[in-house]
Amino acid sequence: SQQGEEDPQALSIQEGENATMNCSYKTSINNLQWYRQNSGRGLVHLILIRSNEREKHSGRLRVTLDTSKKSSSLLITASRAADTASYFCATAPPASGSRLTFGEGTQLTVNP
Amino acid sequence: GAVVSQHPSWVICKSGTSVKIECRSLDFQATTMFWYRQFPKQSLMLMATSNEGSKATYEQGVEKDKFLINHASLTLSTLTVTSAHPEDSSFYICSASGGGRGRDQPQHFGDGTRLSIL
Repeated sequence: SQQGEEDPQALSIQEGENATMNCSYKTSINNLQWYRQNSGRGLVHLILIRSNEREKHSGRLRVTLDTSKKSSSLLITASRAADTASYFCATAPPASGSRLTFGEGTQLTVNP
Repeated sequence: GAVVSQHPSWVICKSGTSVKIECRSLDFQATTMFWYRQFPKQSLMLMATSNEGSKATYEQGVEKDKFLINHASLTLSTLTVTSAHPEDSSFYICSASGGGRGRDQPQHFGDGTRLSIL
């Protein structure tokens, strides 16, 4: 079963604006990962944040993790039309090996 | 690096046909491969986890005899949908982990296979 819940389910913004997506989960984790999926394609790994980390940056991406609230956020700054995609968070519980549980995803539309 | 190739990308076939989907890690050895199913506008549903040289571990509710998984080498896993029916139509995605250092490894995904059963 999917333990991750993401909000919003859909987000529409203008190019240049920032986009924030949130993810909540229920069990303890080793790490939390964010992936991107373009329509009809596979997933692309964006960023991994470990349970002992609070914030991580990669280019225009900023991820935060609050293990006390069991939540994470993904911020995309200065969005571009090419950022239009579905974004999924995925959690790796302890002793799960590399097995992931995916959230329901956020569909981001960036309008030119 | 960490490229996963999935083939075919699109299959249309008649009901009752068996369909094989291949998943290859091109530039790393995949200790574990995963098979997912995804319905339109929904998240990924894990079907099974396969480790090289051992039997796949199926998720609850996934029929082992319906979805045959073979992980014969560290670079190849196959999913065979046996006697496919229209309800098996879906987007199937594989992923692989391995080839990196440390405990926390991302999964690397193929581009998916869209299966349509008539």
